[in-house]
Amino acid sequence: DAGVTQSPTHLIKTRGQQVTLRCSPKSGHDTVSWYQQALGQGPQFIFQYYEEEERQRGNFPDRFSGHQFPNYSSELNVNALLLGDSALYLCASSYRLADNTGELFFGEGSRLTVL
Amino acid sequence: QQPVQSPQAVILREGEDAVINCSSSKALYSVHWYRQKHGEAPVFLMILLKGGEQKGHEKISASFNEKKQQSSLYLTASQLSYSGTYFCGTETPDSWGKLQFGAGTQVVVTP
Repeated sequence: DAGVTQSPTHLIKTRGQQVTLRCSPKSGHDTVSWYQQALGQGPQFIFQYYEEEERQRGNFPDRFSGHQFPNYSSELNVNALLLGDSALYLCASSYRLADNTGELFFGEGSRLTVL
Repeated sequence: QQPVQSPQAVILREGEDAVINCSSSKALYSVHWYRQKHGEAPVFLMILLKGGEQKGHEKISASFNEKKQQSSLYLTASQLSYSGTYFCGTETPDSWGKLQFGAGTQVVVTP
């Protein structure tokens, strides 16, 4: 049973460029959350997708957008990259529960460096 | 609003105990605990829900004081494998699904 897979694992971009990160959730999971983790910090919640809709959003600008596909996989897009966007981007999948997030399964992350 | 964790770091010898605290300025519905080893993804440890329900995988215990909006994770008889950074994540009643993590507590267990 494959866990959460993310691609690419590492990438380097320059300021102003755009990037797309991809995530395939664990089998049986229908919800995908995206987190940004700067070095030495805790994961910061970007947004959560369920039924192809953004259900919750953290304190991130509109440059951060996402999508969820019918097969539950998801993409995170970041436009107009800034140096401060350099971080590890984590995707976490879960099975939607009635009243709480439930157990998150994290992928290994995509390490983005903006030069 | 992110929860606040303390201490920032702790060094233990095998067999010693430690407590990691997590507090929030908002009323909480659930508290989640994860451990992340260097270069790896965070791994689920436990969920504590308002009302007392707990779900966890490992022999690590935790408490949730709803009135004080605080949770504590207890590392008892620590093992080398307990080393890593521990994060608490919190959800409020009006924004479930939005799990916000603290800055983490680095735990080092030495032989």
